[in-house]
Amino acid sequence: QKEVEQNSGPLSVPEGAIASLNCTYSDRVSQSFFWYRQYSGKSPELIMSIYSNGDKEDGRFTAQLNKASQYVSLLIRDSQPSDSATYLCAVGRAGNMLTFGGGTRLMVKP
Amino acid sequence: NAGVTQTPKFRILKIGQSMTLQCTQDMNHNYMYWYRQDPGMGLKLIYYSVGAGITDKGEVPNGYNVSRSTTEDFPLRLELAAPSQTSVYFCASSYPDGNTIYFGEGSWLTVV
Repeated sequence: QKEVEQNSGPLSVPEGAIASLNCTYSDRVSQSFFWYRQYSGKSPELIMSIYSNGDKEDGRFTAQLNKASQYVSLLIRDSQPSDSATYLCAVGRAGNMLTFGGGTRLMVKP
Repeated sequence: NAGVTQTPKFRILKIGQSMTLQCTQDMNHNYMYWYRQDPGMGLKLIYYSVGAGITDKGEVPNGYNVSRSTTEDFPLRLELAAPSQTSVYFCASSYPDGNTIYFGEGSWLTVV
């Protein structure tokens, strides 16, 4: 079992729709959770971090964390073609390095 | 503010050659990392450092070496390059909480 799992996609959504990206992790003591966006040929950039159960909103992005079920998700509202990218989920434990999932490729069609 | 700077951006190596990927950061971060990313895959940690003079292995260290003589620099050495080392390499840095990681632009390496 991979430590951090994501569906590789591609996830295709029409412009203006909500894109839902999911991530599960295996280590129950994980404490920090991140979503990175990576455009093709570019480096990852941090878009959301979440540390406690529940929702965290930032503009069109909402991160959701459920530690009991060991999953974290990212919702992108009003999806735009510029949101087309690969989204990497990363999970961390205190004192340890982050573990990245394989990424989900999102395609937003005009 | 340059952030994390990697060189070279592109390099082709022949099997058995050696090279060093350079990485420097100007954010005074204690933590620095080297990741590799194979096509369509996530990031795998090669080596990391929590401060000058301290380095440790990550998930995939075989075939690589690092050093950390200063806070700013964290070069990655490839010895005896193999086709399996064809990948994109990202250097990164962070504050001691190790969580918010800032990435360099990447180095595309092909071993033929």
